[in-house]
Amino acid sequence: ETGVTQTPRHLVMGMTNKKSLKCEQHLGHNAMYWYKQSAKKPLELMFVYNFKEQTENNSVPSRFSPECPNSSHLFLHLHTLQPEDSALYLCASSQEGQPSRGYTFGSGTRLTVV
Amino acid sequence: GDSVTQMEGPVTLSEEAFLTINCTYTATGYPSLFWYVQYPGEGLQLLLKATKADDKGSNKGFEATYRKETTSFHLEKGSVQVSDSAVYFCALSAGNTGGFKTIFGAGTRLFVKA
Repeated sequence: ETGVTQTPRHLVMGMTNKKSLKCEQHLGHNAMYWYKQSAKKPLELMFVYNFKEQTENNSVPSRFSPECPNSSHLFLHLHTLQPEDSALYLCASSQEGQPSRGYTFGSGTRLTVV
Repeated sequence: GDSVTQMEGPVTLSEEAFLTINCTYTATGYPSLFWYVQYPGEGLQLLLKATKADDKGSNKGFEATYRKETTSFHLEKGSVQVSDSAVYFCALSAGNTGGFKTIFGAGTRLFVKA
């Protein structure tokens, strides 16, 4: 399997639930990203990992907790979310040091908080 | 700081019409420029790119030319199809000693009518 794979594709959770989003890339990339895409808003960068180390956290609420156990896997742990957190969550990967190659995105997880 | 500005949508065209989506950027140094496309229910896909001034990126009938003098990277297609209906994002990547950042525009939604 190649590319960036995100699971699940759809998730409905209550505000008191705990769930996790998973992202896996088979491209040999060493940088991974979480983005939030809400209706009628620009893409929001949430977290950046380079070589498994978190290098950016864009003031994301603590109810979102990322984890990067290795360069191929990225998780987003969710707990006590709010309805306004409903959005499409996109994972992407890239090769650090090669900005001209762009990003590869997964298909996203459509999250609905009820 | 670096930024990308693209025309607001939605853009509605009839099949076989000519498409232009404007994109201008602000950046220090010499960024790489990209167009990404997002089809309904999917993540973003890299459509085309250009890495230096006067380069032309092309793919699937779409083209864009890196114009340093006007800091622009407008997307064009001579004859659009219904299947081109999607959201198009202009982006730039600029490297630095700490890695590189990708800045995305707000996206332009294109509707193509049969």
